[in-house]
Amino acid sequence: GAVVSQHPSRVICKSGTSVKIECRSLDFQATTMFWYRQFPKQSLMLMATSNEGSKATYEQGVEKDKFLINHASLTLSTLTVTSAHPEDSSFYICSASPGTGGTEAFFGQGTRLTVV
Amino acid sequence: AQKITQTQPGMFVQEKEAVTLDCTYDTSDPSYGLFWYKQPSSGEMIFLIYQGSYDQQNATEGRYSLNFQKARKSANLVISASQLGDSAMYFCAMRAPVGGGSNYKLTFGKGTLLTVNP
Repeated sequence: GAVVSQHPSRVICKSGTSVKIECRSLDFQATTMFWYRQFPKQSLMLMATSNEGSKATYEQGVEKDKFLINHASLTLSTLTVTSAHPEDSSFYICSASPGTGGTEAFFGQGTRLTVV
Repeated sequence: AQKITQTQPGMFVQEKEAVTLDCTYDTSDPSYGLFWYKQPSSGEMIFLIYQGSYDQQNATEGRYSLNFQKARKSANLVISASQLGDSAMYFCAMRAPVGGGSNYKLTFGKGTLLTVNP
C-alpha cells in the first residue's frame, strides 16, 4: 500500500519556540493532505486541508497564524506550530490520498508534541 | 454536515470469538465512503476496510467485514476470530465531499476501545 511518512515522531520544545512537522507521500502524488490533532483518548479532529500550490483550508476554531501549513509540492506538506505553548501539546497526524477518487486515506505515523 | 456516531466507548471480546463494533453515520450527500481504522497504542492509524456508498456488496478484508446497511445508515465492523493483537482503538470515518467540486474531508467517530481477553 501507499506510504505516508511523518517526521519527527516525537518532539519536545520550549514554550515560545516554533516546531515544524513534515508529511511526505513516498510513493504517490498527493494533491490534498490533511492535518489532524488528537488529544489523549479522543478522536481525530481535522485541523486543516492542505492543497498543493494554494492556501490551506482551516476548520472553524483553528488559528491560521498559530498553525501554518505549507503544501509546497505534490509529495510534501508541512505544519508549523508557531510560538508553541503547553496547551499545544498533542498528537498531530497527517493523511493523504493518491487522488480525489481514491478510496484509501493513508496516514503518517503521527507526531507527539510536548511543549515545556 | 457529516456526522459519525460510535456508541460503544469500550468493548471486550474473548480471544477467537467474533465482535461487532457499531457505527452510524449521517450525511445528505449521496456519494460518500466509509472507513474503519485501527489505532494501537503507538498512535499510527491502520486502514482496515472501505465501503463506498454505491457498493452493492459488503466489503471484506481477511478477518474484517463491514456490515453496510444503507437504509439504516449503519456501517458496523465485524472482526472474526479475534486475536490478542486486535486490542486497540477503532475508529469509523466517513469521507464526503465538501463545498462542491472535488474537495472532500474525513470525519471520525469518537472511537471504540476493543480489548481482547485471552
